[in-house]
Amino acid sequence: QKEVEQNSGPLSVPEGAIASLNCTYSDRGSQSFFWYRQYSGKSPELIMSIYSNGDKEDGRFTAQLNKASQYVSLLIRDSQPSDSATYLCAVNNYGQNFVFGPGTRLSVLP
Amino acid sequence: NAGVTQTPKFRILKIGQSMTLQCTQDMNHNYMYWYRQDPGMGLKLIYYSVGAGITDKGEVPNGYNVSRSTTEDFPLRLELAAPSQTSVYFCASSRRTGDSQPQHFGDGTRLSIL
Repeated sequence: QKEVEQNSGPLSVPEGAIASLNCTYSDRGSQSFFWYRQYSGKSPELIMSIYSNGDKEDGRFTAQLNKASQYVSLLIRDSQPSDSATYLCAVNNYGQNFVFGPGTRLSVLP
Repeated sequence: NAGVTQTPKFRILKIGQSMTLQCTQDMNHNYMYWYRQDPGMGLKLIYYSVGAGITDKGEVPNGYNVSRSTTEDFPLRLELAAPSQTSVYFCASSRRTGDSQPQHFGDGTRLSIL
């Protein structure tokens, strides 16, 4: 059973702080990793994708991947109240199936 | 750009009724997926399709059926609706390339079985 695990939260951070979201996966054959943001009552929207070990930065977001440790993370710098949402980690092994984690609920406090 | 379009957005069914959730994408994506998301939970894959005429079961296929007669459309059929099928249903699509491409989601269908 291929699994993706995330802390369910809620993770609370003050406005302007760095939010760190973590994800671990069980399938060593996984090659592609995605972070989605889902606001309450809305559909998931893609924030970041990462395919290689190391860091990938896009604006205030940085994705980090360590395939040896089977670990992927998302850092959100200068967190804003509008970042309050559930963040879903998704993993793919070049097949047609994606495995989603249960999501981490982030709350950014003004 | 329409992307992935789901209809209806909301529906209430009585136990034992049947219905079809519609999903259409205009991005010429090969892969299409149906997920359900229960309150406070993650996404569970119901069925997926890698192209017209090809479908396969996901994690939770019981009580559902799908068809894929065209690249654009991937309807999900509920037969004999049960309260356990109360959920939010998301359709998604992705492009088939050498590298894995992310999924694009529709806005969802909120379904209640009473």
